[in-house]
Amino acid sequence: GQQLNQSPQSMFIQEGEDVSMNCTSSSIFNTWLWYKQDPGEGPVLLIALYKAGELTSNGRLTAQFGITRKDSFLNISASIPSDVGIYFCAGQLVQGGSEKLVFGKGTKLTVNP
Amino acid sequence: DTGVSQNPRHKITKRGQNVTFRCDPISEHNRLYWYRQTLGQGPEFLTYFQNEAQLEKSRLLSDRFSAERPKGSFSTLEIQRTEQGDSAMYLCASSSGQGEQFFGPGTRLTVL
Repeated sequence: GQQLNQSPQSMFIQEGEDVSMNCTSSSIFNTWLWYKQDPGEGPVLLIALYKAGELTSNGRLTAQFGITRKDSFLNISASIPSDVGIYFCAGQLVQGGSEKLVFGKGTKLTVNP
Repeated sequence: DTGVSQNPRHKITKRGQNVTFRCDPISEHNRLYWYRQTLGQGPEFLTYFQNEAQLEKSRLLSDRFSAERPKGSFSTLEIQRTEQGDSAMYLCASSSGQGEQFFGPGTRLTVL
Protein backbone atom coordinates (compact mmCIF):
# COMPACT_ATOMS: atom_id res chain seq x y z
CA GLY A 1 0.00 0.00 0.00
CA GLN A 2 0.92 3.65 -0.11
CA GLN A 3 3.41 4.84 2.48
CA LEU A 4 4.86 8.21 3.28
CA ASN A 5 8.34 8.52 4.74
CA GLN A 6 8.52 11.60 6.92
CA SER A 7 11.78 12.89 8.36
CA PRO A 8 13.20 13.71 10.74
CA GLN A 9 11.24 11.77 13.32
CA SER A 10 11.98 14.43 15.95
CA MET A 11 13.76 17.75 16.24
CA PHE A 12 15.05 19.74 19.19
CA ILE A 13 15.78 23.37 18.36
CA GLN A 14 16.31 26.72 20.02
CA GLU A 15 13.74 29.48 19.75
CA GLY A 16 14.45 31.63 16.73
CA GLU A 17 15.96 28.85 14.62
CA ASP A 18 14.56 27.75 11.27
CA VAL A 19 13.18 24.23 10.83
CA SER A 20 12.87 22.01 7.79
CA MET A 21 11.08 18.68 7.48
CA ASN A 22 10.13 16.59 4.49
CA CYS A 23 8.02 13.76 3.18
CA THR A 24 8.70 11.31 0.38
CA SER A 25 6.52 8.69 -1.22
CA SER A 26 6.89 5.79 -3.62
CA SER A 27 3.58 6.87 -5.17
CA ILE A 28 2.52 10.12 -6.79
CA PHE A 29 -0.07 12.37 -5.24
CA ASN A 30 -2.08 15.24 -6.66
CA THR A 31 -2.49 17.02 -3.33
CA TRP A 32 -0.11 17.44 -0.41
CA LEU A 33 -1.29 18.72 2.96
CA TRP A 34 0.61 19.68 6.10
CA TYR A 35 -1.01 19.44 9.54
CA LYS A 36 0.03 20.25 13.12
CA GLN A 37 -1.31 18.22 16.02
CA ASP A 38 -1.19 19.06 19.72
CA PRO A 39 -1.54 16.32 22.36
CA GLY A 40 -5.10 15.07 22.71
CA GLU A 41 -6.38 17.16 19.81
CA GLY A 42 -7.12 16.62 16.16
CA PRO A 43 -4.75 17.69 13.38
CA VAL A 44 -5.01 21.33 12.29
CA LEU A 45 -4.48 22.12 8.62
CA LEU A 46 -1.51 24.41 7.97
CA ILE A 47 -0.94 24.41 4.23
CA ALA A 48 -2.49 22.72 1.17
CA LEU A 49 -0.58 22.22 -2.11
CA TYR A 50 -2.30 21.30 -5.37
CA LYS A 51 0.25 21.62 -8.20
CA ALA A 52 3.66 20.08 -8.78
CA GLY A 53 6.32 22.69 -8.11
CA GLU A 54 3.92 24.89 -6.13
CA LEU A 55 5.48 26.91 -3.31
CA THR A 56 3.01 28.25 -0.73
CA SER A 57 3.48 30.32 2.41
CA ASN A 58 1.33 30.82 5.48
CA GLY A 59 2.99 33.30 7.79
CA ARG A 60 6.29 31.81 8.95
CA LEU A 61 5.48 28.50 7.23
CA THR A 62 6.49 27.65 3.68
CA ALA A 63 5.76 24.38 1.91
CA GLN A 64 6.52 23.03 -1.54
CA PHE A 65 4.96 20.34 -3.71
CA GLY A 66 7.83 18.41 -5.29
CA ILE A 67 8.15 18.45 -9.06
CA THR A 68 8.02 14.64 -9.22
CA ARG A 69 4.74 14.69 -7.20
CA LYS A 70 6.37 12.22 -4.82
CA ASP A 71 7.67 14.59 -2.19
CA SER A 72 7.00 17.75 -0.20
CA PHE A 73 8.79 19.82 2.40
CA LEU A 74 7.73 22.23 5.14
CA ASN A 75 9.90 25.02 6.48
CA ILE A 76 9.22 27.01 9.64
CA SER A 77 11.20 30.21 10.03
CA ALA A 78 12.13 31.92 13.30
CA SER A 79 10.54 29.24 15.50
CA ILE A 80 8.67 30.22 18.65
CA PRO A 81 7.62 28.09 21.66
CA SER A 82 4.06 27.65 20.39
CA ASP A 83 5.42 25.84 17.31
CA VAL A 84 5.88 22.81 19.58
CA GLY A 85 3.83 19.86 18.39
CA ILE A 86 3.75 17.01 15.90
CA TYR A 87 3.74 17.92 12.21
CA PHE A 88 2.20 15.50 9.72
CA CYS A 89 2.37 15.43 5.98
CA ALA A 90 -0.51 13.86 4.09
CA GLY A 91 -0.88 12.96 0.43
CA GLN A 92 -4.05 12.51 -1.55
CA LEU A 93 -4.53 10.86 -4.92
CA VAL A 94 -8.07 11.44 -6.11
CA GLN A 95 -8.57 8.41 -8.32
CA GLY A 96 -11.34 5.92 -8.83
CA GLY A 97 -13.54 7.71 -6.33
CA SER A 98 -10.97 7.56 -3.54
CA GLU A 99 -10.33 10.71 -1.55
CA LYS A 100 -8.47 9.25 1.39
CA LEU A 101 -5.44 10.96 2.87
CA VAL A 102 -2.29 8.93 3.48
CA PHE A 103 -0.28 10.28 6.41
CA GLY A 104 3.35 10.16 7.41
CA LYS A 105 4.34 9.17 10.95
CA GLY A 106 4.98 12.75 11.98
CA THR A 107 7.86 14.98 13.03
CA LYS A 108 7.84 15.88 16.71
CA LEU A 109 9.15 19.42 17.20
CA THR A 110 10.49 20.69 20.51
CA VAL A 111 11.46 24.36 20.82
CA ASN A 112 13.64 25.43 23.72
CA PRO A 113 13.03 29.02 24.80
CA ASP B 1 -18.14 29.65 12.22
CA THR B 2 -18.03 26.26 13.91
CA GLY B 3 -15.59 23.55 12.99
CA VAL B 4 -15.98 19.79 13.08
CA SER B 5 -17.27 18.55 16.43
CA GLN B 6 -17.05 15.07 17.88
CA ASN B 7 -18.74 13.46 20.86
CA PRO B 8 -17.83 12.11 23.25
CA ARG B 9 -14.26 13.34 23.60
CA HIS B 10 -13.32 10.36 25.73
CA LYS B 11 -14.84 6.91 26.12
CA ILE B 12 -13.73 4.14 28.43
CA THR B 13 -15.41 0.80 27.93
CA LYS B 14 -14.97 -2.82 28.83
CA ARG B 15 -13.98 -5.40 26.26
CA GLY B 16 -17.00 -6.82 24.49
CA GLN B 17 -19.17 -3.73 24.87
CA ASN B 18 -20.51 -1.71 21.94
CA VAL B 19 -19.64 1.96 21.54
CA THR B 20 -20.93 4.69 19.25
CA PHE B 21 -19.27 7.98 18.35
CA ARG B 22 -20.82 10.98 16.68
CA CYS B 23 -19.34 13.51 14.26
CA ASP B 24 -20.90 16.80 13.17
CA PRO B 25 -19.10 18.19 10.12
CA ILE B 26 -18.73 21.79 9.02
CA SER B 27 -22.25 22.62 7.87
CA GLU B 28 -21.63 23.28 4.18
CA HIS B 29 -19.33 20.27 3.70
CA ASN B 30 -20.82 17.31 1.85
CA ARG B 31 -17.88 14.98 2.43
CA LEU B 32 -17.15 13.28 5.74
CA TYR B 33 -14.24 11.00 6.62
CA TRP B 34 -13.35 8.77 9.58
CA TYR B 35 -9.75 8.02 10.54
CA ARG B 36 -8.13 6.10 13.38
CA GLN B 37 -4.88 7.15 15.05
CA THR B 38 -2.77 5.07 17.43
CA LEU B 39 0.09 6.36 19.55
CA GLY B 40 3.11 7.42 17.54
CA GLN B 41 1.39 7.02 14.20
CA GLY B 42 -0.34 9.25 11.72
CA PRO B 43 -4.09 8.94 11.16
CA GLU B 44 -5.22 5.95 9.08
CA PHE B 45 -8.24 6.18 6.79
CA LEU B 46 -11.31 4.13 7.73
CA THR B 47 -14.21 5.29 5.57
CA TYR B 48 -15.67 8.19 3.58
CA PHE B 49 -19.12 9.57 2.80
CA GLN B 50 -20.28 11.91 0.12
CA ASN B 51 -23.63 13.17 1.33
CA GLU B 52 -25.33 10.02 2.68
CA ALA B 53 -23.50 7.58 0.41
CA GLN B 54 -20.61 5.60 1.86
CA LEU B 55 -18.18 5.58 -1.07
CA GLU B 56 -15.03 3.98 0.30
CA LYS B 57 -14.11 1.64 3.15
CA SER B 58 -10.65 0.62 4.26
CA ARG B 59 -9.86 -3.00 4.98
CA LEU B 60 -9.12 -1.70 8.51
CA LEU B 61 -12.89 -1.39 8.88
CA SER B 62 -13.67 -4.91 10.06
CA ASP B 63 -17.21 -6.22 10.19
CA ARG B 64 -17.41 -5.07 13.83
CA PHE B 65 -17.26 -1.48 12.60
CA SER B 66 -20.15 0.30 10.95
CA ALA B 67 -20.56 3.91 9.96
CA GLU B 68 -23.65 5.78 8.88
CA ARG B 69 -24.57 9.22 7.66
CA PRO B 70 -28.32 8.87 7.27
CA LYS B 71 -29.28 12.41 6.29
CA GLY B 72 -26.02 13.54 4.83
CA SER B 73 -25.23 15.69 7.86
CA PHE B 74 -23.86 14.11 11.06
CA SER B 75 -22.29 10.67 11.07
CA THR B 76 -21.98 7.88 13.61
CA LEU B 77 -19.28 5.25 13.94
CA GLU B 78 -20.21 2.13 15.91
CA ILE B 79 -17.83 -0.52 17.12
CA GLN B 80 -19.41 -3.77 18.26
CA ARG B 81 -17.82 -6.25 20.66
CA THR B 82 -14.88 -3.95 21.35
CA GLU B 83 -11.39 -5.41 21.68
CA GLN B 84 -8.34 -3.95 23.40
CA GLY B 85 -6.79 -3.40 19.99
CA ASP B 86 -9.59 -0.95 19.20
CA SER B 87 -8.12 1.53 21.72
CA ALA B 88 -7.18 4.58 19.67
CA MET B 89 -8.14 8.14 18.80
CA TYR B 90 -11.01 8.18 16.31
CA LEU B 91 -10.91 11.29 14.14
CA CYS B 92 -13.55 12.73 11.89
CA ALA B 93 -12.86 15.17 9.07
CA SER B 94 -15.02 17.02 6.59
CA SER B 95 -14.44 18.63 3.23
CA SER B 96 -16.21 20.51 0.46
CA GLY B 97 -14.29 18.42 -2.06
CA GLN B 98 -11.46 20.85 -2.74
CA GLY B 99 -8.80 18.52 -1.27
CA GLU B 100 -8.53 20.12 2.14
CA GLN B 101 -9.88 18.00 4.99
CA PHE B 102 -10.63 19.66 8.32
CA PHE B 103 -10.44 17.50 11.40
CA GLY B 104 -12.42 17.47 14.62
CA PRO B 105 -10.87 17.10 18.07
CA GLY B 106 -11.27 13.32 18.07
CA THR B 107 -12.75 10.73 20.41
CA ARG B 108 -10.23 8.89 22.56
CA LEU B 109 -11.37 5.28 23.09
CA THR B 110 -9.89 3.12 25.82
CA VAL B 111 -10.95 -0.53 25.94
CA LEU B 112 -10.19 -2.21 29.27
